[in-house]
Amino acid sequence: NAGVMQNPRHLVRRRGQEARLRCSPMKGHSHVYWYRQLPEEGLKFMVYLQKENIIDESGMPKERFSAEFPKEGPSILRIQQVVRGDSAAYFCASSPNGQGTGELFFGEGSRLTVL
Amino acid sequence: QKEVEQDPGPLSVPEGAIVSLNCTYSNSAFQYFMWYRQYSRKGPELLMYTYSSGNKEDGRFTAQVDKSSKYISLFIRDSQPSDSATYLCAMSAGTGGFKTIFGAGTRLFVKA
Repeated sequence: NAGVMQNPRHLVRRRGQEARLRCSPMKGHSHVYWYRQLPEEGLKFMVYLQKENIIDESGMPKERFSAEFPKEGPSILRIQQVVRGDSAAYFCASSPNGQGTGELFFGEGSRLTVL
Repeated sequence: QKEVEQDPGPLSVPEGAIVSLNCTYSNSAFQYFMWYRQYSRKGPELLMYTYSSGNKEDGRFTAQVDKSSKYISLFIRDSQPSDSATYLCAMSAGTGGFKTIFGAGTRLFVKA
């Protein structure tokens, strides 16, 4: 499967725990984007990363959220000390270039539920 | 004011109808305009992609962009039950504007 792979697909955490979401981009893609989708809402941009670099994190909450895309391995979105408001679907997308032309290839999403 | 406005619907039509979906936007820097389709519990998939103003047709789908009015449309002809999904408009400023901004999505139901 050469598509964008996200795991876990579903994650349940209690308030105060940590959530780690992983994303492997399509083969040959080195640009990764994370979006959050709340029920009945559109996709909200969180962060754009290239290998080993954060390019744009203007959509990331200032606290508790972090993202990385190491030289080897998947991109990881980390949410520390989760709260109920973090419950959402988190989508990763990749693109073959970073020119911002909007052609994004999405994974199936990771659905986080905070109890 | 949101950068991209999209009526969330839901929109319910009979099979075979022509569907019109629309978005308005406020940022004149947007150059690339997309429509994504998202089935329930799935990730969005790119449906139509247009650069600048004009029309683009692909089978039963036609995308229109009117930059002077900051208005984009997606038309679906001969709609099918399999078209039932959420349609998200999306826009990007291109080089230097790395973010793709999405509308809230319109839920479409096509009744057999």
